[in-house]
Amino acid sequence: EAGVTQFPSHSVIEKGQTVTLRCDPISGHDNLYWYRRVMGKEIKFLLHFVKESKQDESGMPNNRFLAERTGGTYSTLKVQPAELEDSGVYFCASSDRVRGEAFFGQGTRLTVV
Amino acid sequence: QKEVEQNSGPLSVPEGAIASLNCTYSDRGSQSFFWYRQYSGKSPELIMFIYSNGDKEDGRFTAQLNKASQYVSLLIRDSQPSDSATYLCAVNKAAAGGTSYGKLTFGQGTILTVHP
Repeated sequence: EAGVTQFPSHSVIEKGQTVTLRCDPISGHDNLYWYRRVMGKEIKFLLHFVKESKQDESGMPNNRFLAERTGGTYSTLKVQPAELEDSGVYFCASSDRVRGEAFFGQGTRLTVV
Repeated sequence: QKEVEQNSGPLSVPEGAIASLNCTYSDRGSQSFFWYRQYSGKSPELIMFIYSNGDKEDGRFTAQLNKASQYVSLLIRDSQPSDSATYLCAVNKAAAGGTSYGKLTFGQGTILTVHP
C-alpha cells in the first residue's frame, strides 16, 4: 500500500511568487492534515480536511495560504504571494475513520529567497 | 510555556543500553499521546501511542504515561545504531479514533544517537 505522497520534495522560489504543494493521502483515508515545521521550531498544525470539507483551519497563518481538497482525494496548499518567513518543511498526514492515527508524508521543503 | 516540551538533546547512549526519552505537556485535557521517529529527511513514523496511565510495551519500545504528572516517556531497550533519529512526542485532545485524532501538538523532538 502506498503511503502519503507529497510533491515536490523541494521548492525554491523568490519572495512574491506563488507555490503550490500537493499531497496524495493513503487511499481511503478521509482525514487529511497539513503541518509545517519552520527552522528551529516544532511541527505545527495548519488545517484538517474531512473528505473535501475543511474541519479545522485554526492553524493557517494568514490569508496568503489556501488549501483545497477537491473530490476528497488529493489536496493542494497554495502560498500566494510567498514571504521569507514561509520557508520550512510542509508535511501532510492522513488517517482513516476507524483507527485515526496519522501517517505522514516525507514533506516538501520550501525555501523562499 | 510550550504545550509539549522535550529535551532537545542530543541524547547519546551506547549500543545495547536503554535510551530514555521524556516529554511533558501542559494541557490537562490531552487524552492521546504519540511517539514518532524521524530519520533525517524522512517522514515522521509512528512507533507508539498510549492513552491510559501506565506502561505499554511493543517489542523493544515501552511508552509510559502519567496523566497526574502530565508526563509521557519512551524507553528503548537494547538500543541499536539504527535507532539513531529524532524522536517526536505529540499529544491530542481527542479520544482514540475521534474525528480530530490526527490533530497533533508536537514537541521539538529529541535527537538520539546510539554509538557502537
